[in-house]
Formats: sequence, structure tokens, C-alpha cells
Amino acid sequence: AQSVTQLDSHVSVSEGTPVLLRCNYSSSYSPSLFWYVQHPNKGLQLLLKYTSAATLVKGINGFEAEFKKSETSFHLTKPSAHMSDAAEYFCVVSENTGNQFYFGTGTSLTVIP
Amino acid sequence: GAVVSQHPSRVICKSGTSVKIECRSLDFQATTMFWYRQFPKQSLMLMATSNEGSKATYEQGVEKDKFLINHASLTLSTLTVTSAHPEDSSFYICSAPDRGSSTDTQYFGPGTRLTVL
Repeated sequence: AQSVTQLDSHVSVSEGTPVLLRCNYSSSYSPSLFWYVQHPNKGLQLLLKYTSAATLVKGINGFEAEFKKSETSFHLTKPSAHMSDAAEYFCVVSENTGNQFYFGTGTSLTVIP
Repeated sequence: GAVVSQHPSRVICKSGTSVKIECRSLDFQATTMFWYRQFPKQSLMLMATSNEGSKATYEQGVEKDKFLINHASLTLSTLTVTSAHPEDSSFYICSAPDRGSSTDTQYFGPGTRLTVL
């Protein structure tokens, strides 16, 4: 069985400070892992994905995530938050990229000017 | 890149009526599509898997007679909410994997916001 736990429902950071959004997963197989962002009233946008290649994955807009199998984690980070980063972020696990996705409950990121 | 579209983007209907939502893969073929539902400030919940040429597979707790899914072609899946009620008001999102791509990536539609009065 696959599942995703996003440890924080809400994160608030000041503009220019680092961002850390936490995600832990459970999977019976070697998983594919994704981070998606959803801005208000918009669709989902893929930030980055891990598919058993390099464990440190770089995505768009300066985001990156590190796959740590020993910790079953896939935390999302960004060195310096921008106002435009304020959105809802979803961690997603899949048995493989073309199959069903299992979404975390989401983390709402607020960026304080 | 590959794109998935949904139509309409927003619909308001009266209680008791039926609403059809279309999901199209614009430049790739999708034998499988997925339908999700998202309540305000909550995560996406998988409703069903739409399979071209065969019956859809519904997740536990999803009424198949209420949420009719038809995968008519390799680029089109439709979700019909029958006899809609206010509790059906939600954001409906579809996705489709592009199995022909080198990365077998899954693409999401922009969503359809349904409001039932």
C-alpha cells in the first residue's frame, strides 16, 4: 500500500528565507515521488519528480528535493522564498509515473513580505 | 509539451440536473485517465480510473451510478455527475499519463469547478 504524509498543513516564512516542506511516504515498491504546486483557482503544476535516478532532484523555480530511502522522506526545499511561491504544495507517490497517484494532504505556504 | 484540457472550467447548475465534464489529451493518446475530486482546502481524492474501451474502475465509496464515466476515445474521457446535489459541489480534476513519452509523465487538467445550487 502506498501513502504520503505531509507533516505540516501550513508553513509561513519571510521573503528571502529558506523554505522546507516535509513529506514522508510509504510504499511497497520502489516509488516515484513528485511535488506539485497549486496556486489559487489554478490547476496543478509539476515542480519536480524522482524516478529512481539521482536522489537530489532539482525542479523549477529554484525548488529541489532529496529522496532519502532510509528515512522514507522526500522533503522540498528552496534557499530563498519569493512572494510568488505562496501556494498549496502536494507531495505525491506513485508505483510508477503512469499509474495512480496518491496525494498528501497538502501544505499551504505563506510568504511574509 | 503534452497538455490535458478540461471543459467547462466552471459550471453552475440547479439541484437535480446532470452535468458533463470533458477531459481531453491534446497531443497524445491516453488509454487511461484518472478523475479526482478536491474539496476546498483539502487534498485531491482519486474517484475513478477511466479505461478506453472498457468500464471505469471506481474507488471505494464512489457511487458509479452517480458519477458516470465514459472513455469514448483515446483522447477523451467524460465524467457525468447525475442528479447533482449541493454536496456534489467541488473541484474536479482529471489526469492522463503520456505513456509514449520517455519519462511516462502524468499530466493534469486545469480542473472544473462545479457549483450546485
